[in-house]
Amino acid sequence: AQTVTQSQPEMSVQEAETVTLSCTYDTSESDYYLFWYKQPPSRQMILVIRQEAYKQQNATENRFSVNFQKAAKSFSLKISDSQLGDAAMYFCAYVSYTNAGKSTFGDGTTLTVKP
Amino acid sequence: DTAVSQTPKYLVTQMGNDKSIKCEQNLGHDTMYWYKQDSKKFLKIMFSYNNKELIINETVPNRFSPKSPDKAHLNLHINSLELGDSAVYFCASSQDREAEETQYFGPGTRLLVL
Repeated sequence: AQTVTQSQPEMSVQEAETVTLSCTYDTSESDYYLFWYKQPPSRQMILVIRQEAYKQQNATENRFSVNFQKAAKSFSLKISDSQLGDAAMYFCAYVSYTNAGKSTFGDGTTLTVKP
Repeated sequence: DTAVSQTPKYLVTQMGNDKSIKCEQNLGHDTMYWYKQDSKKFLKIMFSYNNKELIINETVPNRFSPKSPDKAHLNLHINSLELGDSAVYFCASSQDREAEETQYFGPGTRLLVL
């Protein structure tokens, strides 16, 4: 079974600075997808960014980028130029090709942005 | 135009009661999900349906019974509610069951069992 670990329960960052949230996972599969979802205080989960395991190039979405290290099974999220609206709980998620439909989520990291 | 909606948003009930949570998506998606988020914010999948067919059932007590009358709806019925059922329940949908598909989440239903 796959597991996803987010070792930082809480992180904080100063507005306009950069922060990195870590995520590691355990799998014996070679094909899978990784996602970062954001859950603001309103509770609604929204997609931040996703990465295909077979792609070596790291995904980027505006101020959000990932550092995907397949051999190390690491998938960290970097938020540049942090904004107050980035404050939320961030979840890392793993989805395998062979068992699509079942997402395994990490325990989440609560990000605080200080003005 | 709410993409994934859930009713009710809040549900307070007594132990032993039976309750239902409804979920509807207007995105035309084929696949829908139920997740449970406990008080520590741990998010775990419970069920997944694809085209009204159950594809994922994650060691959930059989007091929980999902029902999908059509592709746009996935309801969750809970019998004999217990204190440990208190949590936020999220419905989600995706275009299909492929691994690369983004899931779109509803706003959640906060269930409190007294």
